[in-house]
Amino acid sequence: ETGVTQSPTHLIKTRGQQVTLRCSSQSGHNTVSWYQQALGQGPQFIFQYYREEENGRGNFPPRFSGLQFPNYSSELNVNALELDDSALYLCASSLGGGLAGFQETQYFGPGTRLLVL
Amino acid sequence: RKEVEQDPGPFNVPEGATVAFNCTYSNSASQSFFWYRQDCRKEPKLLMSVYSSGNEDGRFTAQLNRASQYISLLIRDSKLSDSATYLCVVNIPGNQFYFGTGTSLTVIP
Repeated sequence: ETGVTQSPTHLIKTRGQQVTLRCSSQSGHNTVSWYQQALGQGPQFIFQYYREEENGRGNFPPRFSGLQFPNYSSELNVNALELDDSALYLCASSLGGGLAGFQETQYFGPGTRLLVL
Repeated sequence: RKEVEQDPGPFNVPEGATVAFNCTYSNSASQSFFWYRQDCRKEPKLLMSVYSSGNEDGRFTAQLNRASQYISLLIRDSKLSDSATYLCVVNIPGNQFYFGTGTSLTVIP
């Protein structure tokens, strides 16, 4: 096991609602990355948090936002949910904040399955 | 153009076979590379990092070709337990990680 936990495991929401997903990073890790994985696709990078600051963002609209706390756990918030937001949301824990040249390994949590109706 | 392109397969091979997967990336400034394995309805798990000099871990060998911008994974002596989806991952400047769509492997008895 990676020591990365996520909650909840499953969630059902309706269009227009807001959702908050949570992630606890592996002990000693200061970096959390969030991904969206639709069925049959690879994970898509949403953003990364390093020492409580956003440290890289993929091609997702502003209604996807996040936080990282002093203990390095993290939240992903999605506002105004759309049907296409239905997916597996993965967080990954790492150490280093993606410093240039640093071969950073990410350890994934089990994910939260979100269904938007 | 996608940052990372990967043949989705599926690859169906008999036990004991050797199978190779390739992955191409578009950003020449990409700085780190990985192969992950994902079992059905599970999270991705790191299989191995990929270095310019190539690296080997038991039956698995990973190669990076920066000039041609591709990475490869070779699995020798395939086992039933190797059946999974294999994902290549590239880290580009600006600290963004891009995954391929994954290549599905089924090892047949």
